[in-house]
Amino acid sequence: SYELTQPTSVSVSPGQTAIITCSGDALSKTFGYWYQKKPGQAPLLIIYKDNERPSGIPERFSGSSSGTTVTLTISGVQAEDEADYYCQSADTSGRAWVFAGGTKVTVL
Amino acid sequence: QVQLVESGGGVVQPGRSLRLSCAASGLTFNNAAMHWVRQAPGKGLEWVAIISYDGGVKLYAESVKGRFTISRDNSKDTVFLQMSSLTVEDTGVYYCGSRRVAESPIWDHWGQGTLVRVSS
Repeated sequence: SYELTQPTSVSVSPGQTAIITCSGDALSKTFGYWYQKKPGQAPLLIIYKDNERPSGIPERFSGSSSGTTVTLTISGVQAEDEADYYCQSADTSGRAWVFAGGTKVTVL
Repeated sequence: QVQLVESGGGVVQPGRSLRLSCAASGLTFNNAAMHWVRQAPGKGLEWVAIISYDGGVKLYAESVKGRFTISRDNSKDTVFLQMSSLTVEDTGVYYCGSRRVAESPIWDHWGQGTLVRVSS
């Protein structure tokens, strides 16, 4: 079955930049999405269509895409950004969803 | 204000069935694709199923194909997830959601989740 791959953890000091990559063959043909997930809360969409930011999401969150990799960048990380981040896209059919395993961002 | 409220979770024995419901309000429901995503304890998000706005297209994760059925009742603004032949691996919080990014207005709405525990 189709898989997306992202690192399991990233640690960053406040004010620094966190970069999370997500790779998958179909990412060259389909869009990538990023969700933030905190314990006890519903997922929150922070990036859609590779690099678009929904209204209300801080500008420090940005996304990019190159080939079979999409990237989430959190610039000027704040303590409140400590969470799990999930890359999501479609499988090779372009219709069924797939989530990567998630990256735990720890703010030191 | 959009609200999605899941219900129907609980404790169920392996091999049994359970039906989850997700009632929507404040959403143009009959124009919204709906999906279910789950999270097992200590694990990541897993997409489960999606249904198109009119119910004409239904897609499932391989892990639930043949056991789970997604459906909707547009007259009641409700989406369902019928789960059968449940196993302990189906334990987790089940979230319903709706996302539209292809055209304006963009939206991405989620419920707060309902807990399903499969245990003997």
